[in-house]
Amino acid sequence: QKEVEQNSGPLSVPEGAIASLNCTYSDRGSQSFFWYRQYSGKSPELIMSIYSNGDKEDGRFTAQLNKASQYVSLLIRDSQPSDSATYLCAVRGTGGFKTIFGAGTRLFVKA
Amino acid sequence: ETGVTQTPRHLVMGMTNKKSLKCEQHLGHNAMYWYKQSAKKPLELMFVYSLEERVENNSVPSRFSPECPNSSHLFLHLHTLQPEDSALYLCASSHRTSGRTNTGELFFGEGSRLTVL
Repeated sequence: QKEVEQNSGPLSVPEGAIASLNCTYSDRGSQSFFWYRQYSGKSPELIMSIYSNGDKEDGRFTAQLNKASQYVSLLIRDSQPSDSATYLCAVRGTGGFKTIFGAGTRLFVKA
Repeated sequence: ETGVTQTPRHLVMGMTNKKSLKCEQHLGHNAMYWYKQSAKKPLELMFVYSLEERVENNSVPSRFSPECPNSSHLFLHLHTLQPEDSALYLCASSHRTSGRTNTGELFFGEGSRLTVL
């Protein structure tokens, strides 16, 4: 079983729609959860961090965490073509420095 | 210079060469990381240094040798690599809050694209 699983996509949404990206993880003791955006040919960029159950909103982005279901998601409202990228889900356990990444979901936003 | 800087951005080397990748962070962070990114695969953690002490070593072959002389600089020394080592090598940094705890928020450099012939 993969430690962090994401649908590889591609996920295609029209401009202005809501894009929903999902991620599950296997380590029930995980404490910190992150979403990174990676444009083609570029390095990952942190866009959201979430540490407790519920929703966390930052501009057009909302991260949702459900530790009981071991599930974390990212919603992008009013999607723009510039949001087209690969979105990486990352999970960190208690203490330590080891962050496990999913393989990423490719998102295409059609103008 | 700001953020995390990696050099060289591109490197082509033969299997018998010795080369080094360099990373420098200007964020005042105290933990630095090497990750490997291969096509269609998740990022793989290779090494972590916290305050110049190696705290993670993820079963990486000995042909990769890290060095962290201070909290701002990180090197990855390469020797006798294999073609399957061709990948994007990413350096990242994070802020350690206390003990073995850190924010977990990683800031990446632009990467060094390595091709082994």
